[in-house]
Amino acid sequence: QKEVEQNSGPLSVPEGAIASLNCTYSDRGSQSFFWYRQYSGKSPELIMFIYSNGDKEDGRFTAQLNKASQYVSLLIRDSQPSDSATYLCAVSNDYKLSFGAGTTVTVRA
Amino acid sequence: KAGVTQTPRYLIKTRGQQVTLSCSPISGHRSVSWYQQTPGQGLQFLFEYFSETQRNKGNFPGRFSGRQFSNSRSEMNVSTLELGDSALYLCASSLEGPLEQYFGPGTRLTVT
Repeated sequence: QKEVEQNSGPLSVPEGAIASLNCTYSDRGSQSFFWYRQYSGKSPELIMFIYSNGDKEDGRFTAQLNKASQYVSLLIRDSQPSDSATYLCAVSNDYKLSFGAGTTVTVRA
Repeated sequence: KAGVTQTPRYLIKTRGQQVTLSCSPISGHRSVSWYQQTPGQGLQFLFEYFSETQRNKGNFPGRFSGRQFSNSRSEMNVSTLELGDSALYLCASSLEGPLEQYFGPGTRLTVT
């Protein structure tokens, strides 16, 4: 079982719609959870982090964490063409980040 | 505040050679982590350093090593390069793990 699993995509959404990304993790002791965005040919960019159960909103992004279900999600509201990228879920344990394989999102104009 | 910097940005080496990559963290950040990114394996953790001490190491052979200096700058070394070592090597820094990590632009290593 992989440490971090994401829905593989690709995910195509129309401009203005909500993009929903999901991530599950295997280590129940994980404490910190992150979403990174990576444009083609660029390095990952941190867009959200969440430590506690519930929702955390930052602009058009909302991260949701459910530790009991070992589940993290990211919602992108009012999707824009500039949101087209690969989104990486990362889970922190023991001074390391474990990454999922990423979900590629394409926003259609 | 300046971001994470990595040098060199691109490198071409021959199988069997060794290579050293450098990373300067964001000012004030004391934790530096290294990752390897390939199309097939994705982003994989190599090691993490804090105050010159390696606190965790990923599942990579001993050919991969690293160190951190007193000014938090870090280097990683790969000896006896193999074709499969061709990858993007990313450095990330944080105030102290496991807080939010910020990535540098990466070093693209090609082994021929």
